Amino acid sequence: NAGVTQTPKFQVLKTGQSMTLQCAQDMNHEYMSWYRQDPGMGLRLIHYSVGAGITDQGEVPNGYNVSRSTTEDFPLRLLSAAPSQTSVYFCASRTGLAKMNEQFFGPGTRLTVL
Amino acid sequence: GDSVTQMEGPVTLSEEAFLTINCTYTATGYPSLFWYVQYPGEGLQLLLKATKADDKGSNKGFEATYRKETTSFHLEKGSVQVSDSAVYFCALGLTGGGNKLTFGTGTQLKVEL
Repeated sequence: NAGVTQTPKFQVLKTGQSMTLQCAQDMNHEYMSWYRQDPGMGLRLIHYSVGAGITDQGEVPNGYNVSRSTTEDFPLRLLSAAPSQTSVYFCASRTGLAKMNEQFFGPGTRLTVL
Repeated sequence: GDSVTQMEGPVTLSEEAFLTINCTYTATGYPSLFWYVQYPGEGLQLLLKATKADDKGSNKGFEATYRKETTSFHLEKGSVQVSDSAVYFCALGLTGGGNKLTFGTGTQLKVEL
């Protein structure tokens, strides 16, 4: 099992550019989510999905879109990048919705918006 | 709202020293509690968890006890190693609202020889 994979590892964008951060998992997990990690703020939830075709907003969704057409993939789209979106982005997945279930994290994408 | 408060870092210790990283939480329901560890350049990994009051989670010499009366989940290790240098995140999980994890801000631990 590869677990949770993310691409790219690093990305530099100019303000206004668009891009998609890729996330895939091979564990057949229903639940997937995107977090951003900023200094002194821990991880904050951007969007999440409880299954293919179902997505919902987290606590910081503005400026980001997601879709979930398959169980395996959960891409995060930035339509018009802004410097405030400079961050490290983590994708995570877990099986089921039980609150005690472990989340598995990808290695992260470090994004810089100039 | 739900929140997690961790002691600020960085925490610098000598090898074989005793480690405590404090974590307290505020939650409207009955959360599960977690400690995640992030090694340099990597994603987060689950270190240990506890799902109800008085449970003790343990792994790799680390321990934490779910204390409902003090709303705490402090991380401890009796003898740290240089390889324990990492950032440690306390988190809580609740049912509903996307079943998201609410994280603390993280505590960086540096262990020196």
